[in-house]
Amino acid sequence: GAGVSQSPSNKVTEKGKDVELRCDPISGHTALYWYRQSLGQGLEFLIYFQGNSAPDKSGLPSDRFSAERTGGSVSTLTIQRTQQEDSAVYLCASSLALGGLGETQYFGPGTRLLVL
Amino acid sequence: TQLLEQSPQFLSIQEGENLTVYCNSSSVFSSLQWYRQEPGEGPVLLVTVVTGGEVKKLKRLTFQFGDARKDSSLHITAAQPGDTGLYLCAGGGGSNYQLIWGAGTKLIIKP
Repeated sequence: GAGVSQSPSNKVTEKGKDVELRCDPISGHTALYWYRQSLGQGLEFLIYFQGNSAPDKSGLPSDRFSAERTGGSVSTLTIQRTQQEDSAVYLCASSLALGGLGETQYFGPGTRLLVL
Repeated sequence: TQLLEQSPQFLSIQEGENLTVYCNSSSVFSSLQWYRQEPGEGPVLLVTVVTGGEVKKLKRLTFQFGDARKDSSLHITAAQPGDTGLYLCAGGGGSNYQLIWGAGTKLIIKP
């Protein structure tokens, strides 16, 4: 596909369960970003990858959150022992290179996570 | 801590009317981006402004970056139902990758 894809599109889980969210960036994009968007809020930056490396993990809300990227392509965001406050839309974006405002970020449609 | 405040939070107007939404901060940003997000989709970049006082036009949308690079506005002329969506501004600060995001203005244009 031409754009960023994310799966699943929706996920309902029970408190305490682990979830894994997947992001397929645009082919050839070396930079990949994860954001969280709560209802009525702007985007909260979580983590970025340059290639397979994530130099700054300080945006992750807690140690229950982790992310990895393999082959410079697909990335997964894993939330362990989910809590109700983790409910949000998780957005992934990719850009051709890491360059802040010099590089347009293209967003996927997001994964809507609901923790019961 | 850099913050971006958007106003109004919600705006519902009739087709054909004009409107302006604002993005304000007490901090200086190197540049400002505006995005539109439709339900069930991710944000889509509309414009990037980088120079204080810069004005950019995109059809019926006019974007302005404040002279001091602390604020920005988006003006829509003769709004159409297709303009409905969540408008987000995002500022670039010291980091070359991390944007500071406003909470958005939810805009509804009624036919």
